[in-house]
Amino acid sequence: DTAVSQTPKYLVTQMGNDKSIKCEQNLGHDTMYWYKQDSKKFLKIMFSYNNKELIINETVPNRFSPKSPDKAHLNLHINSLELGDSAVYFCASSRAGYEQYFGPGTRLTVT
Amino acid sequence: AQKITQTQPGMFVQEKEAVTLDCTYDTSDPSYGLFWYKQPSSGEMIFLIYQGSYDQQNATEGRYSLNFQKARKSANLVISASQLGDSAMYFCAMRELSSQGGSEKLVFGKGTKLTVNP
Repeated sequence: DTAVSQTPKYLVTQMGNDKSIKCEQNLGHDTMYWYKQDSKKFLKIMFSYNNKELIINETVPNRFSPKSPDKAHLNLHINSLELGDSAVYFCASSRAGYEQYFGPGTRLTVT
Repeated sequence: AQKITQTQPGMFVQEKEAVTLDCTYDTSDPSYGLFWYKQPSSGEMIFLIYQGSYDQQNATEGRYSLNFQKARKSANLVISASQLGDSAMYFCAMRELSSQGGSEKLVFGKGTKLTVNP
């Protein structure tokens, strides 16, 4: 009965590779988000989707491409991974005007 | 300029005592929302409490209460009767409308690491 789930939980890969993180929510929310938490624990929004439509793109490099096949799923694909991409990536979902529920996070390590 | 400021990188409290975690915010919007999230060492983000800008009363959820002082633009989290399991990072966040499509986003502070001592 997990509300927001992400896979994988850990991802270790080499520079230059392409990887994807998947997110699913079973809360019936219309809006989903990707946040990045850096090594200093600072959280910043990357993308927001509302009903499968991209709403927010916060100056994220083009190597990051979100995809929402339906309003319950929001995936993040990252091309040509760089060392600086190492971080924890959180998926979240919400109804408009209400709190956001976060997934467990995906710890990405680029070597 | 930071929109959410948490001035306490770390706080210590004795078990069973109360603790206040500070948060100040900056916005010119009349309508906004303030949130507190807890991040234990296991890494997940747990929603604790919400305060709307038009709410007349301070929000409370169990041992958590929010000391909302609108004129001072502060939204401090008060944890009563601290427990060892309260040791975690605590993030204050503000909901604001993005200039892109009017969607909402959360803007986070840098967090406060709370340690509860036995």
